[in-house]
Amino acid sequence: DTGVSQNPRHKITKRGQNVTFRCDPISEHNRLYWYRQTLGQGPEFLTYFQNEAQLEKSRLLSDRFSAERPKGSFSTLEIQRTEQGDSAMYLCASSFSAIEQYFGPGTRLTVT
Amino acid sequence: ILNVEQSPQSLHVQEGDSTNFTCSFPSSNFYALHWYRWETAKSPEALFVMTLNGDEKKKGRISATLNTKEGYSYLYIKGSQPEDSATYLCAFTMDSSYKLIFGSGTRLLVRP
Repeated sequence: DTGVSQNPRHKITKRGQNVTFRCDPISEHNRLYWYRQTLGQGPEFLTYFQNEAQLEKSRLLSDRFSAERPKGSFSTLEIQRTEQGDSAMYLCASSFSAIEQYFGPGTRLTVT
Repeated sequence: ILNVEQSPQSLHVQEGDSTNFTCSFPSSNFYALHWYRWETAKSPEALFVMTLNGDEKKKGRISATLNTKEGYSYLYIKGSQPEDSATYLCAFTMDSSYKLIFGSGTRLLVRP
């Protein structure tokens, strides 16, 4: 399967714990995007990378959130000191400097 | 504040019915309009990307139109089938970052 993959698919954590998600984009896609979807809403943009450079971050991305894309391949999104409001579906998408983005299946985070 | 509005929020139809959804978006700084289909537990799947006023796209029984001057797009499904049941998301791109600004989606349920 050469699509976008995300791990884990589901994560349950206790409030205050740190969590890390991984996204593997389609090979040779130079752009990688993170979005978050909460219940009843559409996905909201969090951040994006072109190769290894993080070019834009939404104001939704508080100091507790950090994203990296070392070597311009896979990306990780870490949330420190999780809060119940962080419960959401975290989606990753990739593209080759093009308008069309290809999405992964998402990681569903539940903070108890 | 950039707002993408979709209507209706949900729709229940009988197999064989034709249906349509609306997406409205800011008409200034327009780059592209996207339609995605998102089935439960799967990745959002790109249906159409439209960039020019008056664009019409078709894929099988599904088609879409775009009016950038007044800021709306329609998605049509002819002869709905149970496998069309999904959430249909509209997203707007306004610059070369290509980040997507989503509406909250239309949830379609097609009854056999």
